[in-house]
Amino acid sequence: EDQVTQSPEALRLQEGESSSLNCSYTVSGLRGLFWYRQDPGKGPEFLFTLYSAGEEKEKERLKATLTKKESFLHITAPKPEDSATYLCAVLIAGGTSYGKLTFGQGTILTVHP
Amino acid sequence: GAVVSQHPSRVICKSGTSVKIECRSLDFQATTMFWYRQFPKKSLMLMATSNEGSKATYEQGVEKDKFLINHASLTLSTLTVTSAHPEDSSFYICSAERQGWNTEAFFGQGTRLTVV
Repeated sequence: EDQVTQSPEALRLQEGESSSLNCSYTVSGLRGLFWYRQDPGKGPEFLFTLYSAGEEKEKERLKATLTKKESFLHITAPKPEDSATYLCAVLIAGGTSYGKLTFGQGTILTVHP
Repeated sequence: GAVVSQHPSRVICKSGTSVKIECRSLDFQATTMFWYRQFPKKSLMLMATSNEGSKATYEQGVEKDKFLINHASLTLSTLTVTSAHPEDSSFYICSAERQGWNTEAFFGQGTRLTVV
């Protein structure tokens, strides 16, 4: 069975304290891994897509990396405005030409000033 | 990123009535759209895949007759919750697939449905 597990469930950081969020997956036929940010009461906001092991992408204070079993979202010197739920989703074959996104349960990040 | 608009953002309805939620891709055409449901502090659960011009594909356990999906054009998909009950109260989110060099999915802002 395809599984996506994110850890930790919740993470509290002080402003400027760098850390990493983990997304481990067990799927057959991975076609891509996505990171999203979700603020309360809002839809997910796209951050990154990673397609192959060894790939890395960066955006401001965020950097996403991918291996064959997991992905990390590194947050460097976070600010309070980075507080949100970060969702990881894997794209697997099935359904349509695009496939299906299966989401992890998310990591709730809180950055204190 | 591409823009997907969902309307309404919040709706309160009486038990037994039906509610329609719209999902529009504003700056691209979307052959495929997806509908998700999200419970408090939980992740997104795929309900169905909506394909323009054909019937939607529902995930196991999702009632087709309760959650009617119509994808009448390349920019609009609708989800109608029929004969709503309090247990249908939830956060519903749509996403639209943008095909290209790297096919990606963009999400609407979500609809908070409360059935009283």
